[in-house]
Amino acid sequence: NAGVMQNPRHLVRRRGQEARLRCSPMKGHSHVYWYRQLPEEGLKFMVYLQKENIIDESGMPKERFSAEFPKEGPSILRIQQVVRGDSAAYFCASSDGGDYGYTFGSGTRLTVV
Amino acid sequence: EDQVTQSPEALRLQEGESSSLNCSYTVSGLRGLFWYRQDPGKGPEFLFTLYSAGEEKEKERLKATLTKKESFLHITAPKPEDSATYLCAVPQGGSEKLVFGKGTKLTVNP
Repeated sequence: NAGVMQNPRHLVRRRGQEARLRCSPMKGHSHVYWYRQLPEEGLKFMVYLQKENIIDESGMPKERFSAEFPKEGPSILRIQQVVRGDSAAYFCASSDGGDYGYTFGSGTRLTVV
Repeated sequence: EDQVTQSPEALRLQEGESSSLNCSYTVSGLRGLFWYRQDPGKGPEFLFTLYSAGEEKEKERLKATLTKKESFLHITAPKPEDSATYLCAVPQGGSEKLVFGKGTKLTVNP
């Protein structure tokens, strides 16, 4: 079992570019969660998705950020027109919906220059 | 608003020196409290779930306990490989989202 796979591990973008972060959940998991970890801050919830549905996006900034979890393929977190404040570690987690013992991926570290 | 506060922010121990980490929470209708371990450059690794006051869970040198207002992570005779940041989290309201504390960074010196 490969666990939750996130790629890329590191991503550098210039201000104004788009960032696409990918997450493949654990085999058998249909619930995906995205969290952001800013330096010196705790993990903050962004969005919760199931296949083809956004269940809760209350933690997503209203502009520039979007997420999807298509029927086939990984979940994607997209950040358009990145700004320096978007620099952070973005973690994906998955579960089978049974409890909150999520399995986290190793994260994507986004640096905006 | 649901909150999770962890203390201390950082803790240095000598190998074999037992101690405890604290996680206090304010949430209406607790539906579980979760402990994770996070190593530098990695994602959080699930350790324990506690559901009711008085519950205890153990894993190797770690024991987690829960009261109505806080949880403790007891570390007995720690080793350098226990060095990590320990996070606790609670579900927010009736949702699936977890509210995390900022963590306690534990360093165990040989």
